[in-house]
Amino acid sequence: AQSVTQLGSHVSVSEGALVLLRCNYSSSVPPYLFWYVQYPNQGLQLLLKYTTGATLVKGINGFEAEFKKSETSFHLTKPSAHMSDAAEYFCAVSDQSSYKLIFGSGTRLLVRP
Amino acid sequence: EPEVTQTPSHQVTQMGQEVILRCVPISNHLYFYWYRQILGQKVEFLVSFYNNEISEKSEIFDDQFSVERPDGSNFTLKIRSTKLEDSAMYFCASNQQPNYGYTFGSGTRLTVV
Repeated sequence: AQSVTQLGSHVSVSEGALVLLRCNYSSSVPPYLFWYVQYPNQGLQLLLKYTTGATLVKGINGFEAEFKKSETSFHLTKPSAHMSDAAEYFCAVSDQSSYKLIFGSGTRLLVRP
Repeated sequence: EPEVTQTPSHQVTQMGQEVILRCVPISNHLYFYWYRQILGQKVEFLVSFYNNEISEKSEIFDDQFSVERPDGSNFTLKIRSTKLEDSAMYFCASNQQPNYGYTFGSGTRLTVV
């Protein structure tokens, strides 16, 4: 069965610092991987996705993630945090045979001035 | 940018009552989904729907739940007899193809009292 583990329920960074949100997955078949962001009282917005091809994926708002098959990881990074990045971030996985997403438990990003 | 619209944004209902949560997916999308997020917990898959039938459903989606696409635009989730543990944020989502990246609505917060 597929699963997603997000290390760190809360991550705090200073404005301008590197953002690194960790995601590890388990899947018996090549996965499709996603990062979503949820701002307070809002829905889930797709940040980026990996399906096939280039393993470094660029998304919206300056975020990117790298698919590392050997490490079963799909960590999300942003070189310089902005106050507006404060939100909850969810990593999710699916496979080619299923329509559903399996979500991690989320990481709340706090950005300090 | 096209949006998935959910109504109402908040719903309070008494235990045992029926509720219908409504969603208008993006017009050219073919696949529709419901997810839920109990406060403080993971986003969980409930059901996927394609070609006017359920494609996949989770263990959560028992006989109390049903989905319908009554016309060309709406997609509804009905909970027949609500329980306290049904209190959650319910998200509707749609996409053109599975694993294409979902577009989520802003959610309906259901509170069962």
